[in-house]
Amino acid sequence: KNQVEQSPQSLIILEGKNCTLQCNYTVSPFSNLRWYKQDTGRGPVSLTIMTFSENTKSNGRYTATLDADTKQSSLHITASQLSDSASYICVVRIIDSNDYKLSFGAGTTVTVRA
Amino acid sequence: EAGVAQSPRYKIIEKRQSVAFWCNPISGHATLYWYQQILGQGPKLLIQFQNNGVVDDSQLPKDRFSAERLKGVDSTLKIQPAKLEDSAVYLCASSPPSLGSYEQYFGPGTRLTVT
Repeated sequence: KNQVEQSPQSLIILEGKNCTLQCNYTVSPFSNLRWYKQDTGRGPVSLTIMTFSENTKSNGRYTATLDADTKQSSLHITASQLSDSASYICVVRIIDSNDYKLSFGAGTTVTVRA
Repeated sequence: EAGVAQSPRYKIIEKRQSVAFWCNPISGHATLYWYQQILGQGPKLLIQFQNNGVVDDSQLPKDRFSAERLKGVDSTLKIQPAKLEDSAVYLCASSPPSLGSYEQYFGPGTRLTVT
């Protein structure tokens, strides 16, 4: 069972609408959580990074939230654009034996239609 | 600043053949990673280098996969012989050497199709 679960697996929204993606994780001890955007045929690009003490962080029309107590994060896309069509991956960084490891979610595929 | 470069971008081979991928990380980045991303899944770490030393290769199928990072710069990932289930995108990423750096910069990936 993946330790980082994302939902929904995919979604389709109309241009201009908002949407929210979910990420639940079970890994610990938690260091930080990052949301990546991966366009088709490209590598992932970081959108936001959140540490334990941060609840909300925005990057333009992207807003990420984190509840470290319930181990949940969300990514909210406001006023979606066609260019938002991509896969969004949640990545949790954990501390492991004085080093760190990354646990990747499977991603949510977002399709924005005109 | 130039990004992480990978080549080739696409490769189609038959099962039991061999294939090699190349990665050139961002200049000055000490840490280099190879990931395997199967369609519909998140990336899975295959191997992590710190300069030219291996930090983590626990998920690398060593009977058929090998990787090297000579001189601590470029890296190659080889599959020999390939299986159908190796069809995936192989991503290379690099991180700067600064303490506490969390950022990984990904290349565009190499899409491998094994027929």
